[in-house]
Amino acid sequence: QKEVEQDPGPLSVPEGAIVSLNCTYSNSAFQYFMWYRQYSRKGPELLMYTYSSGNKEDGRFTAQVDKSSKYISLFIRDSQPSDSATYLCAMTGGSNYKLTFGKGTLLTVNP
Amino acid sequence: EAGVAQSPRYKIIEKRQSVAFWCNPISGHATLYWYQQILGQGPKLLIQFQNNGVVDDSQLPKDRFSAERLKGVDSTLKIQPAKLEDSAVYLCASSLEGGYQPQHFGDGTRLSIL
Repeated sequence: QKEVEQDPGPLSVPEGAIVSLNCTYSNSAFQYFMWYRQYSRKGPELLMYTYSSGNKEDGRFTAQVDKSSKYISLFIRDSQPSDSATYLCAMTGGSNYKLTFGKGTLLTVNP
Repeated sequence: EAGVAQSPRYKIIEKRQSVAFWCNPISGHATLYWYQQILGQGPKLLIQFQNNGVVDDSQLPKDRFSAERLKGVDSTLKIQPAKLEDSAVYLCASSLEGGYQPQHFGDGTRLSIL
């Protein structure tokens, strides 16, 4: 079992839709959870950074962490064509501090 | 605030040749990371520096890859000799300190091996 599992998609939605992106993980030591957005031929850009369980909201983006289920989500409300990118989940914790990434989900928002 | 700078953006070489990548982190960031991102995968850590010192190089193929960070600022990553499976994007990231500080990435160097 991989440490972090993420459905690679692709996911295609119409403009204005609510998008749900998810990752599961197996390492119970993970405490810090991140979502990165990566446009084509660009580096990953940090979108959300959360600690432990709970919700965090930033504009149209909401990150949720459920440590009991080892499941994290990113919701995008009122999706825009400019949201079209690959979304990577990443997490770390314990004494290692190493950031472990999912494979990324390719999202396309159609006008 | 200027971001992480990397060069070159693209590089094409033949197998068994050597190649070097350069990274300049965000000013004041003590920790620097090199990642390898193969098409369709998430980034994989190759090496982590804290100032001048190596914190983690457990996934660096040391028979062909080397990296240095002189004076605790810029860093170079070298591959010699390159293999076909080294075709990937090499990303540099930096953070204020190590641990759980968020990492900020450059746009990477896209390496193609012929």
